Amino acid sequence: GAGVSQTPSNKVTEKGKYVELRCDPISGHTALYWYRQSLGQGPEFLIYFQGTGAADDSGLPNDRFFAVRPEGSVSTLKIQRTERGDSAVYLCASSPTFTGGVGELFFGEGSRLTVL
Amino acid sequence: LAKTTQPISMDSYEGQEVNITCSHNNIATNDYITWYQQFPSQGPRFIIQGYKTKVTNEVASLFIPADRKSSTLSLPRVSLSDTAVYYCLASGGSYIPTFGRGTSLIVHP
Repeated sequence: GAGVSQTPSNKVTEKGKYVELRCDPISGHTALYWYRQSLGQGPEFLIYFQGTGAADDSGLPNDRFFAVRPEGSVSTLKIQRTERGDSAVYLCASSPTFTGGVGELFFGEGSRLTVL
Repeated sequence: LAKTTQPISMDSYEGQEVNITCSHNNIATNDYITWYQQFPSQGPRFIIQGYKTKVTNEVASLFIPADRKSSTLSLPRVSLSDTAVYYCLASGGSYIPTFGRGTSLIVHP
């Protein structure tokens, strides 16, 4: 499809397990963002990539969270030693290039993570 | 990156015009105002963006007064399918788009 694709759409795991969430952005988009959304809240910024490099990872809550984008397209968000508080919807967005608050972000449908 | 304030929730009826106002008192010269719409189980979707005066597209209108300290998203003749959360953002080209809690709009039959 032409939009941002995220897999899996749903992931249930046990506390302490390792999880990977994948984002396939719109082809040609160099900027890629990860957000996390808890129930009743707006999306919370985690990390942003321009090309292959993480340009801003200030939103990652702790060192259990890590993200990569090795070839400048697909990105993987990795969560180690999951905790119940990590349960949320993880949203990925992309844009043609980084324009900050100017221009449009294209979001995927999200990956719902539930940690039991 | 300006802090935005908008109502937590609003109710309307089908066929009515809905106006959602967002306050951004400390908006900077380089900041643009952007609105997103989010349906349950979906990611946010861009609706409209503007810098000043009025912007209109096929979905909505955005009104921004001269002082730019607030903005109003106007949805003409809403339908049940417009029930969603609407987010107002005010930021410039150097900042990561930041979302608040948004306004939950419920449209009643």
